[in-house]
Amino acid sequence: EVHLVESGGGLVQPGRSLRLSCAASGFTFGDYAMHWVRQPPGKGLEWVSGISWSSGTIAYAESVKGRFTISRDNAKSSLYMQMNSLRPEDTAFYYCAKASRWELPYPIDHWGQGTLVTVSS
Amino acid sequence: QTVVTQEPSFSVSPGGTVTLTCGLSSGSVSTYFPSWYQQPPGQAPRTLIYSTNTRSSGVPDRFSGSILGNKAALTITGAQADDESNYYCMLYMGSGIWVFGGGTKLTVL
Repeated sequence: EVHLVESGGGLVQPGRSLRLSCAASGFTFGDYAMHWVRQPPGKGLEWVSGISWSSGTIAYAESVKGRFTISRDNAKSSLYMQMNSLRPEDTAFYYCAKASRWELPYPIDHWGQGTLVTVSS
Repeated sequence: QTVVTQEPSFSVSPGGTVTLTCGLSSGSVSTYFPSWYQQPPGQAPRTLIYSTNTRSSGVPDRFSGSILGNKAALTITGAQADDESNYYCMLYMGSGIWVFGGGTKLTVL
């Protein structure tokens, strides 16, 4: 069974940094693309970033480009998101999500439970 | 900027059928690999449909995806109380980028 567990969320001041992690199990992590999706409390879903199986293809939403960096370690079955220059509007639940195949054009088929990031002074 | 449109809310009677749609501010969604996600209140999203009409593992056949005109459609037949959720579509814009619609809040009453 696919299992995705996010960690690293918390309260952070505007302008500071935070690193999210996602531990994956139940599948061969290195064979699949991965995504981060966020959801401000009470609002809709927003796709944030995706990374292909080999890290050869990476994409970001315009709202985070230049501030967030996605990465993965296939040997550790882990996905990461380094978030810099955080803003209050980055406050959201952040979900780790698995794609159905190895490249970014393939959609999400499994989701983690999410971790909450709150950006506030 | 491309906008993905969904009905903000919809209601259906228990046992009834409802069709939710997902469109683009301009053009047809048929080449954008639409997928659909269900998010019950207070829970993480769950994948229902991907690539227009392929059901995800474990999803009952009461849920089906299709293209209606220029829009992607999610049809729920035999609606049940636990279908009451927010439903989101997601479209592939190319260059590795995906975009969600604003979501439809479905009420079963």
